[in-house]
Amino acid sequence: GIQVEQSPPDLILQEGANSTLRCNFSDSVNNLQWFHQNPWGQLINLFYIPSGTKQNGRLSATTVATERYSLLYISSSQTTDSGVYFCAVVSAAGNKLTFGGGTRVLVKP
Amino acid sequence: DVKVTQSSRYLVKRTGEKVFLECVQDMDHENMFWYRQDPGLGLRLIYFSYDVKMKEKGDIPEGYSVSREKKERFSLILESASTNQTSMYLCASRRRGLTDTQYFGPGTRLTVL
Repeated sequence: GIQVEQSPPDLILQEGANSTLRCNFSDSVNNLQWFHQNPWGQLINLFYIPSGTKQNGRLSATTVATERYSLLYISSSQTTDSGVYFCAVVSAAGNKLTFGGGTRVLVKP
Repeated sequence: DVKVTQSSRYLVKRTGEKVFLECVQDMDHENMFWYRQDPGLGLRLIYFSYDVKMKEKGDIPEGYSVSREKKERFSLILESASTNQTSMYLCASRRRGLTDTQYFGPGTRLTVL
């Protein structure tokens, strides 16, 4: 099946800093989503982005489908950005979301 | 906004008990999913359903069954709970298309003693 790798596994930021999270995938995809898991465990949708670029406030994402990677940018980070960020894909040959291992982000005040 | 709800946020059960976890979505989605999440193992798909009374095994179906009698409701059943089923259980739903956004419920943290 498709492999999804996220980097870095852990990230510690000072409040106000910018950061980039990366998601590499091993095959063509029909669907790519970024999620934020908050401290209570809920997965919050950030972006549906199988290709192209999107922005939502301080967050933006870019997927280069031909090169099989996606990037999530966090600008001017806040303590509420802390949590685990997951990338998940549906391969062109599949029918279900496959998750990466996540990036754990801690934003310090 | 899509809303996916789960019957309990926290649940404590004893070994051997039958456990029902319920999930309800309010957006008329065809597809519904059950995952479990464990430290170091990530999110793993247990079962999914693409229509009423339809179900398919995911990656780790052993020890679980599911029921989908109504479109909006998808139940996960642990016939005889065991300690290795202590986990965070997450339900999700999505429209029929593979290119649609998948939405998750708040999760149920199950402890089996």
